Amino acid sequence: TQLLEQSPQFLSIQEGENLTVYCNSSSVFSSLQWYRQEPGEGPVLLVTVVTGGEVKKLKRLTFQFGDARKDSSLHITAAQPGDTGLYLCAGAPNTGNQFYFGTGTSLTVIP
Amino acid sequence: NAGVTQTPKFQVLKTGQSMTLQCAQDMNHNSMYWYRQDPGMGLRLIYYSASEGTTDKGEVPNGYNVSRLNKREFSLRLESAAPSQTSVYFCASSERPNYGGRGQPQHFGDGTRLSIL
Repeated sequence: TQLLEQSPQFLSIQEGENLTVYCNSSSVFSSLQWYRQEPGEGPVLLVTVVTGGEVKKLKRLTFQFGDARKDSSLHITAAQPGDTGLYLCAGAPNTGNQFYFGTGTSLTVIP
Repeated sequence: NAGVTQTPKFQVLKTGQSMTLQCAQDMNHNSMYWYRQDPGMGLRLIYYSASEGTTDKGEVPNGYNVSRLNKREFSLRLESAAPSQTSVYFCASSERPNYGGRGQPQHFGDGTRLSIL
């Protein structure tokens, strides 16, 4: 069961452009995480959001958790080639012990 | 500071062969996880161990078994490999279980790339 859909699946932009990646679900999550994965490596945690409407900033990255805790977005300002990678969202329901990962967004930033 | 170490990094098997993927963490974490990653499908949980001595099924457990050998080590076994199990396998750990969706940070290894012919 794929509970989280990410869009777009692929994104190729020029250095300096802005972009937004979306993570949507029909299910409610207690918390949502964003990870970045580089080729040949495992995912690395970027942020965890736990409150509906919460906004967190990490340098040029802005993360938002939807008011209803069913969706999230990741906005990157002035993208750099170092931002290239696969971005994954992961939601945790309020029952059980599992995370459910999204389908992923592959970002390429062209110098 | 190794974090989560997976072995082997690459493996090619023939259909019907068996093998065990090894995972060890040096962060004194209580919980460990096995995922598989396939193109366009994100990561899917195979099995997890909330604490030493316990294991539970995830989304896609069929065809796999696990052993939580001790607090550090969590292995994944394919008893009779099938081509559908060709994938990249990731082990992860977290300090505590994710009860109630608290959002425990997970730390991942670099994966095992497994091809089954």
